[in-house]
Amino acid sequence: SQELEQSPQSLIVQEGKNLTINCTSSKTLYGLYWYKQKYGEGLIFLMMLQKGGEEKSHEKITAKLDEKKQQSSLHITASQPSHAGIYLCGADMDSNYQLIWGAGTKLIIKP
Amino acid sequence: GAGVSQTPSNKVTEKGKYVELRCDPISGHTALYWYRQSLGQGPEFLIYFQGTGAADDSGLPNDRFFAVRPEGSVSTLKIQRTERGDSAVYLCASSLWGRELRSYNEQFFGPGTRLTVL
Repeated sequence: SQELEQSPQSLIVQEGKNLTINCTSSKTLYGLYWYKQKYGEGLIFLMMLQKGGEEKSHEKITAKLDEKKQQSSLHITASQPSHAGIYLCGADMDSNYQLIWGAGTKLIIKP
Repeated sequence: GAGVSQTPSNKVTEKGKYVELRCDPISGHTALYWYRQSLGQGPEFLIYFQGTGAADDSGLPNDRFFAVRPEGSVSTLKIQRTERGDSAVYLCASSLWGRELRSYNEQFFGPGTRLTVL
């Protein structure tokens, strides 16, 4: 079973629309990392959240960590074709070196 | 500055053969990780190096898998007697974890090696 659940598994969105991807854990997270992966490429770091209630934004992407530090959301505003790819959340659950990963959300942007 | 590089980018081999996958981390990164990623899944942890030593190899699936990092920089993942189930993308990542006093661990990933065992 996955320690980190990501939803949805895949998402098809019309260009220009907003979307949200969720990452949920049954345990308290010490750190939550969002990465993006394109086919044939490695993972590109997007954002990292550590504090309950924390929110970070970069360009049109906003990531939030809930107060309980068990759920994070990634929100994309006015989606563009460049946003297409697989979004992965990784979590530090024991404040150590190892990250536990979700299965990823595949995002397709329809022109 | 150069990122994490991995060679080869693709490797096709026959069942039973031996393969080596190479990872060149970011200069100065003491921590190095190997992951395996199957289609539609997140990365699966294999092994973690801190410097030259394998600090945690609990993710290696069996004794056919072995990894080294003799000089604390480049690492090689070695797979003996490959099986079809070993087919996956093998990802390498490096970070500053352990070198600096920090509470977070941003890992920098290479592009991966796609291994296909026929």
